[in-house]
Amino acid sequence: EAGVTQFPSHSVIEKGQTVTLRCDPISGHDNLYWYRRVMGKEIKFLLHFVKESKQDESGMPNNRFLAERTGGTYSTLKVQPAELEDSGVYFCASSSRGGRNTIYFGEGSWLTVV
Amino acid sequence: GENVEQHPSTLSVQEGDSAVIKCTYSDSASNYFPWYKQELGKRPQLIIDIRSNVGEKKDQRIAVTLNKTAKHFSLHITETQPEDSAVYFCAASKVSGGYNKLIFGAGTRLAVHP
Repeated sequence: EAGVTQFPSHSVIEKGQTVTLRCDPISGHDNLYWYRRVMGKEIKFLLHFVKESKQDESGMPNNRFLAERTGGTYSTLKVQPAELEDSGVYFCASSSRGGRNTIYFGEGSWLTVV
Repeated sequence: GENVEQHPSTLSVQEGDSAVIKCTYSDSASNYFPWYKQELGKRPQLIIDIRSNVGEKKDQRIAVTLNKTAKHFSLHITETQPEDSAVYFCAASKVSGGYNKLIFGAGTRLAVHP
């Protein structure tokens, strides 16, 4: 079974530019989460999709961040325009609706804004 | 808001010794407590979890204990090996109807020296 995959694995952009991160969850997982870890700090919740609907976006830092999950499959997280403090690792995770709800993480997208 | 405190931030042990990482949570409604291990450059991987109706769970060299009254839970690794070296994250959540929003601690960097 393929795990959660994320693209790109690393991205270096200049302040003011736009970056779009992509996540492909485990096939059949309705729940999709975005998390972020800034250097040395905790992994922080950004938002949660159930299929194509945003269930909880209370962790989104500001309106420069836009997440979508059209069709309820893969998801994108766009940062526009990027600021220095957006640097960090962006993790995507997914889980099924039933069963133990175990959350599986992707390897993360490392974003550096210079 | 919901908060998870994790201690220590770094832990260094000799191979064969035990390691203990402790976490406290603020939301008394939390009912699910997973532990993730993240090796350098890799995805966080679930190593063990415990639900609020259980006080202790063991899986080979790894055990987790939960004290609901005190709102704290701990990870115990016995007979540590160099491959146990990683960053360990605790988390707490209220699992409800397939919804599972993890609140993470800041992580513990464990180093096991041969």
